[in-house]
Amino acid sequence: NAGVTQTPKFRVLKTGQSMTLLCAQDMNHEYMYWYRQDPGMGLRLIHYSVGEGTTAKGEVPDGYNVSRLKKQNFLLGLESAAPSQTSVYFCASRRQGMKYGYTFGSGTRLTVV
Amino acid sequence: AQTVTQSQPEMSVQEAETVTLSCTYDTSESDYYLFWYKQPPSRQMILVIRQEAYKQQNATENRFSVNFQKAAKSFSLKISDSQLGDAAMYFCAYRSAPPGDSNYQLIWGAGTKLIIKP
Repeated sequence: NAGVTQTPKFRVLKTGQSMTLLCAQDMNHEYMYWYRQDPGMGLRLIHYSVGEGTTAKGEVPDGYNVSRLKKQNFLLGLESAAPSQTSVYFCASRRQGMKYGYTFGSGTRLTVV
Repeated sequence: AQTVTQSQPEMSVQEAETVTLSCTYDTSESDYYLFWYKQPPSRQMILVIRQEAYKQQNATENRFSVNFQKAAKSFSLKISDSQLGDAAMYFCAYRSAPPGDSNYQLIWGAGTKLIIKP
């Protein structure tokens, strides 16, 4: 099992460009999350999904959109990238009903110049 | 809203010695879960240890143990016999327990960078 796979692992964007980060999990988890990690700060929740076809805003949703058309995939989109979106992005998933058991991807380092 | 604070941006310890990383949190909930995650340079988030708030006994996982002080809202991580492979960022995280956790998200501290001196 691959667990949670994030693509790409690295990306450099110019201000104003758009891109989509893909998170794929093969564990049939219901819950999926997108976090961003910035220096000196903990991970902050951008958006999350509690099931296929559903998404909700987290703590820092501005400038991002998400979609979960298939249970195994959770996409994070940046429509018009800004330097403030330079960060490391983590995807995580979790099975409903489990107390623990968050599985994290290895992250995507995004630089917006 | 819940918050998690790690007041030590960086800690260093001599190999084979013991080090304690601090974490405090703020919540009005009575039941919740606390976690310590390790993030090595590979960026992978690795669960080190977890604690359920209703359990008085401190969790232990091999060389890793916690000192959970519920009244003081403190959750420190002790690493015994430190090894070079323990060098990493360590994050403390909080999660509400049902029925309070509508989305099961984790609330994270800012992290502590642990340096192991050979």
